[in-house]
Amino acid sequence: NAGVTQTPKFQVLKTGQSMTLQCAQDMNHEYMSWYRQDPGMGLRLIHYSVGAGITDQGEVPNGYNVSRSTTEDFPLRLLSAAPSQTSVYFCASSSDRVSRYNSPLHFGNGTRLTVT
Amino acid sequence: AQRVTQPEKLLSVFKGAPVELKCNYSYSGSPELFWYVQYSRQRLQLLLRHISRESIKGFTADLNKGETSFHLKKPFAQEEDSAMYYCALSEQRNYGGSQGNLIFGKGTKLSVKP
Repeated sequence: NAGVTQTPKFQVLKTGQSMTLQCAQDMNHEYMSWYRQDPGMGLRLIHYSVGAGITDQGEVPNGYNVSRSTTEDFPLRLLSAAPSQTSVYFCASSSDRVSRYNSPLHFGNGTRLTVT
Repeated sequence: AQRVTQPEKLLSVFKGAPVELKCNYSYSGSPELFWYVQYSRQRLQLLLRHISRESIKGFTADLNKGETSFHLKKPFAQEEDSAMYYCALSEQRNYGGSQGNLIFGKGTKLSVKP
């Protein structure tokens, strides 16, 4: 099993450009989420999904869109990149849609994004 | 509002010394608390959770509801323990059941010197 796979690993964008960060998991997990990791800020939840066709906002959703058309994929879209979106982005999944106790989060390796 | 506080950005100890990474939380309900660890060039992974009352890699953490703390402890630190440690709390919302989103602290970087 590959687990949670994120692509690309690195990306440089210019302000105003758009792009999609890909996330796929092969564990048939219902729950998927996106976090951004910034120095001194820890991990902050951007968007999450408890199943195909269901998405919701996290703590810092502005500037990002998500969709969940299949159980396996949960792409994160930046419509118009800004320097403030320079960060490391982590996708995570869990088999338990209601509690991380029963099934902890499985993380991807991250995507390091720089917006100039 | 739910909040997780890790007061130390960096903790540096010598090999063999005891280590304690502090975590305090603010939560109105019954919390589910976790420690996640990120070793250099590796993905974030679960270290332990309070409900299991387990010891992983020599680490333990006890939930103290009176002090709203969940400090991570190890009696004798090893160099391979050097990593970024995140305390996390599981969020619950009443949408017909808990959502379980994790709220992370800002992390503590543990450096164990030889």
